Amino acid sequence: AQRVTQPEKLLSVFKGAPVELKCNYSYSGSPELFWYVQYSRQRLQLLLRHISRESIKGFTADLNKGETSFHLKKPFAQEEDSAMYYCALSSSGGYQKVTFGTGTKLQVIP
Amino acid sequence: DTAVSQTPKYLVTQMGNDKSIKCEQNLGHDTMYWYKQDSKKFLKIMFSYNNKELIINETVPNRFSPKSPDKAHLNLHINSLELGDSAVYFCASSRSGENSPLHFGNGTRLTVT
Repeated sequence: AQRVTQPEKLLSVFKGAPVELKCNYSYSGSPELFWYVQYSRQRLQLLLRHISRESIKGFTADLNKGETSFHLKKPFAQEEDSAMYYCALSSSGGYQKVTFGTGTKLQVIP
Repeated sequence: DTAVSQTPKYLVTQMGNDKSIKCEQNLGHDTMYWYKQDSKKFLKIMFSYNNKELIINETVPNRFSPKSPDKAHLNLHINSLELGDSAVYFCASSRSGENSPLHFGNGTRLTVT
């Protein structure tokens, strides 16, 4: 079974402070991890995926297979980063099944 | 040029009624999904279709019946609505095969009174 855990329901940081949104996963195969973001009253959209190794809107995430983690980081939070963030895991082999974590609401305080 | 569109955006109805939510995607994807987001913002997969065939059915009550007339459409019909069905329902699509990112619709907020 695949599982994604996001331990923080709410994370409040001041503008300009570093951000780290935690994500841990459980999966027996080789995982593909994603971060999705949902801004207020908008649809969920892909933020980044580990295979791309890219930085989007200043966010980065590194897959740590030893710790089974895929934490999302940004060195300096901006007010526009306030949103709901979901970590997601996609199964490998056969048809894709994407499992989402419970989400973390990031609140950036001006 | 909306990629994944759902209708209606809001749906308010009484217990016991039957309602449908429609979803269409113009991305050329062949896999479509329905997700339910509850009041705590938990996002849980309900169904997945690949080329009009059901491939994932996550212990959803029989009152929920998805229908895919073609690979660009995946509709959700709900019979005998219950209070607990109140949620935001998201349609999504992706290319088939592994690890393709999901493209979501704007969601349908269903309120059962």
